[in-house]
Amino acid sequence: QKEVEQNSGPLSVPEGAIASLNCTYSDRGSQSFFWYRQYSGKSPELIMSIYSNGDKEDGRFTAQLNKASQYVSLLIRDSQPSDSATYLCAVGGQGGKLIFGQGTELSVKP
Amino acid sequence: NAGVMQNPRHLVRRRGQEARLRCSPMKGHSHVYWYRQLPEEGLKFMVYLQKENIIDESGMPKERFSAEFPKEGPSILRIQQVVRGDSAAYFCASSPGDSNYGYTFGSGTRLTVV
Repeated sequence: QKEVEQNSGPLSVPEGAIASLNCTYSDRGSQSFFWYRQYSGKSPELIMSIYSNGDKEDGRFTAQLNKASQYVSLLIRDSQPSDSATYLCAVGGQGGKLIFGQGTELSVKP
Repeated sequence: NAGVMQNPRHLVRRRGQEARLRCSPMKGHSHVYWYRQLPEEGLKFMVYLQKENIIDESGMPKERFSAEFPKEGPSILRIQQVVRGDSAAYFCASSPGDSNYGYTFGSGTRLTVV
C-alpha cells in the first residue's frame, strides 16, 4: 500500500461545476495535510493546509479532513479553466518530511 | 522577499559527468528538502537537511548522490557519473520548521542526461 494515494485521473469537469479531489494516507500518526497545485512545467504551489478534523474553507477551495478514516479531500467550487492543473496531496508525519501522492490531473472544460 | 532560488533552471549533462544543483532557501528558513519528479509521476522525497546536518536521507540512492547544506551558502545536490535514468526535475523546498509548516518550492532544475 502506498503511503499517500490519490484517485487516479484525469478528472474532467465543466466550467462552474464542483471538482472533488480525494486522498488517503496510511500513517495514523500524521499531523499535517496539504494540497498543492502544479501547472505543467512549473513547481508545486501550496493552496491549502489543514490540521484538524472537519472543513477548512478559503475562497473557492474547501479542504476536508477525517483522521479516523485517514482521508483528505479538496473541493473546488465554481471551477474555472485556470484551475486546470495537477493537484498533489501531501501528508506530514514523523520525521519532518512531507510525503506526496502521485497527483490528480484536473481539466476544467469551458 | 525572494522565494526559494534554484539554479540552474536547465542542466544538460553527458553520461558519466557530474551534475551540481543549487538551492538557496527563503530568508528565515533553515530547513531544506530535495525532491525528484519524473514525467507523469509525483514528487519523490530524497533528502532533508538543516544547516550543516543531514536529517533524513532515506530517499537518496545509495550511490552517486550526495547532498549538503553548509553553514554559509546554498544547499547542493550532487549527482556523480550521471546516467540517463537521472533525467528528471529536481525540486528544492524550504520551511521555517519541520513539515508541519508546509513547504515553499523553488522553480526546479530540469536535468537532461544525453
